[in-house]
Amino acid sequence: GAGVSQSPSNKVTEKGKDVELRCDPISGHTALYWYRQSLGQGLEFLIYFQGNSAPDKSGLPSDRFSAERTGGSVSTLTIQRTQQEDSAVYLCASSSSPGSGGYTFGSGTRLTVV
Amino acid sequence: DQQVKQNSPSLSVQEGRISILNCDYTNSMFDYFLWYKKYPAEGPTFLISISSIKDKNEDGRFTVFLNKSAKHLSLHIVPSQPGDSAVYFCAASAHSGNTPLVFGKGTRLSVIA
Repeated sequence: GAGVSQSPSNKVTEKGKDVELRCDPISGHTALYWYRQSLGQGLEFLIYFQGNSAPDKSGLPSDRFSAERTGGSVSTLTIQRTQQEDSAVYLCASSSSPGSGGYTFGSGTRLTVV
Repeated sequence: DQQVKQNSPSLSVQEGRISILNCDYTNSMFDYFLWYKKYPAEGPTFLISISSIKDKNEDGRFTVFLNKSAKHLSLHIVPSQPGDSAVYFCAASAHSGNTPLVFGKGTRLSVIA
């Protein structure tokens, strides 16, 4: 596609429920990143996929968070048993290769846990 | 432990004047630095970058300066325009960008007409 697409744009969920957030990167981009921005905070790195390599999961805050990238394209971020502190904007970005310079970000998914 | 720090949460500048946004970093392995601009309800967009082998990079109204010894970089916008009003994020990476970017908390710039 022309840009990075994320869905849904907004999600309100009850505490304890599981949620899935989707990212459709730019076609051909081999690197895909998930970040989140909590209120008043910067962008916090979560996870990074590069080609067929094992993902860098070093930023995931707990084992309730997981992500996969199928076929080197679409990625899904799953949060199990959501907590109120999970409320944030979840941003996905892709790039043509690591070190290529800027990432292209999607518009994000605003997650609210009530 | 913040590796990239933007100590000014907000900045207000008159149209036509210079905007200077500052960023400090602590990790001496960082060798690639970028600035992103973010409008409400949109994702950040790449603005300008600089490699540690340079101390200045210019693109139109935007110039980034890097002072490696001070671990400090700044973004200059001149002349500032109302459309520049946004949140600006500083980001850094080690190994020439082959590690995920580390972002600061951002500075909200307001350009007043």
